[in-house]
Amino acid sequence: DAGVIQSPRHEVTEMGQEVTLRCKPISGHDYLFWYRQTMMRGLELLIYFNNNVPIDDSGMPEDRFSAKMPNASFSTLKIQPSEPRDSAVYFCASSSPGYGDQPQHFGDGTRLSIL
Amino acid sequence: AQRVTQPEKLLSVFKGAPVELKCNYSYSGSPELFWYVQYSRQRLQLLLRHISRESIKGFTADLNKGETSFHLKKPFAQEEDSAMYYCALESGGGADGLTFGKGTHLIIQP
Repeated sequence: DAGVIQSPRHEVTEMGQEVTLRCKPISGHDYLFWYRQTMMRGLELLIYFNNNVPIDDSGMPEDRFSAKMPNASFSTLKIQPSEPRDSAVYFCASSSPGYGDQPQHFGDGTRLSIL
Repeated sequence: AQRVTQPEKLLSVFKGAPVELKCNYSYSGSPELFWYVQYSRQRLQLLLRHISRESIKGFTADLNKGETSFHLKKPFAQEEDSAMYYCALESGGGADGLTFGKGTHLIIQP
């Protein structure tokens, strides 16, 4: 298995533009998590899904952020409109606790820079 | 609310010296605790978890509920241990997101 796959690896765009980050979880994992990593705040959970349903989005910073999981193999995190303070590394992770105490597996992250 | 604290942003030790990365947590229930490591230009990966009571790459961590700590230790540091280390807490038995500390950058000097 290739693990959790995120795209793009890097994104540079101007403020005000829409940004879409993508994630493909490990096949068979029924939990998917989005995290944001910044120097100031470290790693923060934004939202997570179970069986494609959002369970907790309390970490989503503002209405400009939205996440979807249309099927078990794909999720998007969208920022519209983007702002410079959204610049961070965004990680996706997946897990399958139904098969025991499995740790979360992380993708390589998307490094987002908003100019 | 749960919280994970890693008091050291940066820790620099010489090769062969002992290493201890501190982690304290606050959580009212029974937590599950993990250490994740991120080597340069690599993805975040699990190093060890408290329930396994295992030693990975010479690292160990013991959960001390009395002190609410989960410090990561290694008796003899190696240069390849240089990385970012994150302590994380999971409250839901695998069904919740992880709460991370802010990380400690470990630098092993030759």
